[in-house]
Amino acid sequence: SQQGEEDPQALSIQEGENATMNCSYKTSINNLQWYRQNSGRGLVHLILIRSNEREKHSGRLRVTLDTSKKSSSLLITASRAADTASYFCATEHNDYKLSFGAGTTVTVRA
Amino acid sequence: GAVVSQHPSWVICKSGTSVKIECRSLDFQATTMFWYRQFPKQSLMLMATSNEGSKATYEQGVEKDKFLINHASLTLSTLTVTSAHPEDSSFYICSARGPNTQYFGPGTRLTVL
Repeated sequence: SQQGEEDPQALSIQEGENATMNCSYKTSINNLQWYRQNSGRGLVHLILIRSNEREKHSGRLRVTLDTSKKSSSLLITASRAADTASYFCATEHNDYKLSFGAGTTVTVRA
Repeated sequence: GAVVSQHPSWVICKSGTSVKIECRSLDFQATTMFWYRQFPKQSLMLMATSNEGSKATYEQGVEKDKFLINHASLTLSTLTVTSAHPEDSSFYICSARGPNTQYFGPGTRLTVL
């Protein structure tokens, strides 16, 4: 089932700018993950944040998690044209199933 | 490590035929694998959970007689789309539960004419 909602649906930014997208979910989670998908391709795992963590960094990526608000954000700093893709959040539950959000399509203009 | 492969990467078939898609965990054993479907410009929707040595469990609204899943070994799960119709055309993605999380295959694009 799909329980995550993401906003915005689409984002267009200039190269070098930061991109922020948000994800909200409804039920308790084990962890929350962010994935990238280029058009017509498979998923690339970006980052996993556990339910007892609040913030995590990986290179130009910064993820926050607020379990009281049931929300997460993904920040991409100093964006590049190669960051153009769709980004999905996915929540993992006790049964190990992943529920994906609707996704945010990011376009980075050169 | 933790690589998952899918075969074929794309397939075109005629309406009414059956298509089998393989999902393999290459360097780890996976007692649990998952099958997802993704329509154009949409998100991934979980279809079923494949358990080694037992029957798959299907999500609500997914026809188990149409989407046959066989998890015959700890490294292989197959999804067979039976009597495929154009509305089954989609991107099918599998994942395997590994040491820390799920690891995704590259996907199979199915086009039914």
